Amino acid sequence: ETGVTQSPTHLIKTRGQQVTLRCSSQSGHNTVSWYQQALGQGPQFIFQYYREEENGRGNFPPRFSGLQFPNYSSELNVNALELDDSALYLCASSSGRDRAEHGYTFGSGTRLTVV
Amino acid sequence: AQSVTQLDSQVPVFEEAPVELRCNYSSSVSVYLFWYVQYPNQGLQLLLKYLSGSTLVKGINGFEAEFNKSQTSFHLRKPSVHISDTAEYFCAGCRNTGFQKLVFGTGTRLLVSP
Repeated sequence: ETGVTQSPTHLIKTRGQQVTLRCSSQSGHNTVSWYQQALGQGPQFIFQYYREEENGRGNFPPRFSGLQFPNYSSELNVNALELDDSALYLCASSSGRDRAEHGYTFGSGTRLTVV
Repeated sequence: AQSVTQLDSQVPVFEEAPVELRCNYSSSVSVYLFWYVQYPNQGLQLLLKYLSGSTLVKGINGFEAEFNKSQTSFHLRKPSVHISDTAEYFCAGCRNTGFQKLVFGTGTRLLVSP
């Protein structure tokens, strides 16, 4: 059973640029959630995708967008990067929408630094 | 709205001593509660979860937590810690019906010294 894989592990971007982060879900999981973890903080929910559709969204601006593909892998896109976007971005997969009791499997994250 | 509060940002403890990491939650609906551990440069690993039933929940690595509805708490405990338990610990909750998103506390850094 494979876990959740995220790429790249580290990334440095310049303010104003755009970035795409990728996530491969655990086998059998059809739901993926993205979280932003700023330094010294707990993860904050960005959005969730279930069967290729956005299922819910946190308090993040529209320049944060996502995609989920038929194989349930996912992308997080951030446009017009700001310095405050520097954070660890975590992807978590689960086996169904509104099935938190089944648990979430987290990836190791992508560390994004905006300079 | 839900919120999760971890009262201690850092807890220093000696090896083989007991430890308690505190977590309080606020929610107008019934919730599921979780504890996650994060080692340096890694993602989150689930330690244990409370869904319903018995209020004492046992997890991996010898950790346990007790759900206390009257005090809205879900404190994490371990009777004897090891150096390898040094990590960041996050308490999280979500509603148990409808759309479920995890709401995390700010984390507690457990520092175990010899």
